[in-house]
Amino acid sequence: EMQLVESGGGLVKPGGSLRLSCAASGFILSDHSMNWVRQGPGKGLEWVSSISSTSQFIYYADSVKGRFAISRDNAERSLYLQMNSLRPEDTAVYFCARAMGDTAPNDGFDIWGRGTMVTVSS
Amino acid sequence: SYEVTQPPSVSVSPGQTARITCSGDALSAKYAYWYQQKSGQAPVLVIHEDRKRPSGIPERFSGSTSGTMATLIISEAQVDDEADYYCYSVDVRGNPGVFGGGTKLTVL
Repeated sequence: EMQLVESGGGLVKPGGSLRLSCAASGFILSDHSMNWVRQGPGKGLEWVSSISSTSQFIYYADSVKGRFAISRDNAERSLYLQMNSLRPEDTAVYFCARAMGDTAPNDGFDIWGRGTMVTVSS
Repeated sequence: SYEVTQPPSVSVSPGQTARITCSGDALSAKYAYWYQQKSGQAPVLVIHEDRKRPSGIPERFSGSTSGTMATLIISEAQVDDEADYYCYSVDVRGNPGVFGGGTKLTVL
């Protein structure tokens, strides 16, 4: 079964840092771009970041550029999101999502994890 | 920054056809993708590349485009289709990605 499982969420103070992880199983991670998408409480989906299969191409939403860093380790079948200088508006469920091919963000996201909750509050 | 726009809500009776629109300046050049999200669940891709249906998605779900507007069409809508639906695309440069604000579909 193809699966993505996020971890690393929690409560953090404004200005703090957090590192999210996403473990992939049931498919070859290195064949796909990978992505982070978030959803604030009661809000819609927001694309956060994409990384190509070899990490050659990396893209960020303006709202997180300069604060967040996406990375991946294909050998470890893992995707990461390092989040620094966190703000209350970063509070959201963070989903890891697989792109169908290797053209993200211009691609469909066909496998999603269940998400991990990040709360930024003092 | 680039935006794609959806109506906040659409309501149909069971058995009717629901149409959810998504407008964006780059949609004449870039693909639209559609996601279904039921309460408390992760999104599910229902249409990719404007009109293609992933395996496992019922034939009742289809997509179309015309100019700068993409449309998700749900034929013979069922109560189980009640969900939030999100359009996704990219700007003309291929980055960044952007979701529409979501459309709440009510079937009753």
